[in-house]
Amino acid sequence: GAGVSQSPRYKVAKRGQDVALRCDPISGHVSLFWYQQALGQGPEFLTYFQNEAQLDKSGLPSDRFFAERPEGSVSTLKIQRTQQEDSAVYLCASSFRVRDQPQHFGDGTRLSIL
Amino acid sequence: AQRVTQPEKLLSVFKGAPVELKCNYSYSGSPELFWYVQYSRQRLQLLLRHISRESIKGFTADLNKGETSFHLKKPFAQEEDSAMYYCALIGGSNYKLTFGKGTLLTVNP
Repeated sequence: GAGVSQSPRYKVAKRGQDVALRCDPISGHVSLFWYQQALGQGPEFLTYFQNEAQLDKSGLPSDRFFAERPEGSVSTLKIQRTQQEDSAVYLCASSFRVRDQPQHFGDGTRLSIL
Repeated sequence: AQRVTQPEKLLSVFKGAPVELKCNYSYSGSPELFWYVQYSRQRLQLLLRHISRESIKGFTADLNKGETSFHLKKPFAQEEDSAMYYCALIGGSNYKLTFGKGTLLTVNP
């Protein structure tokens, strides 16, 4: 596709449920990032992949958050036992090379935990 | 630690007026600074970066290391400039963007 694609666009879940958010980066992009954007805040870094290797997961807020990119393309962010504070927009971004700018962002997944 | 501060949450100007969106940063080394923009119902996209020193859509931004600022300026605002603007930083050999909280610019007719 022409840009980074994220699905679903909206996700509503009950507290305690597990959710999975998908990111399709631009074809051929090596770097993939996940950001979390709470209401009224700027995006905050969660994790970074270079191809299939997760090189940085320092921004993941708890061990309930897990991300993978097994074949170096599509990535999934999984949140287990969701809490209300997990409600946010989750943004995925990709870039052609490491430290390449700009990072190309997807539309995000708006997650609401009831 | 690196931090980006955008002191104005909201900024409203009239069409044709000058506009300046403020950005201050905290970083001990030499950062790379960016402005990202999100228009209504569109995704976040890069507006400009300090190393390219170019003007995009009439906007410019100069990195002032003494004042640790990277303010975004445009001499004559247009209605289509209405959007959310985020200042962002990459520090050193890092690769992850650190964003400010954003400024919502409204340009009134």
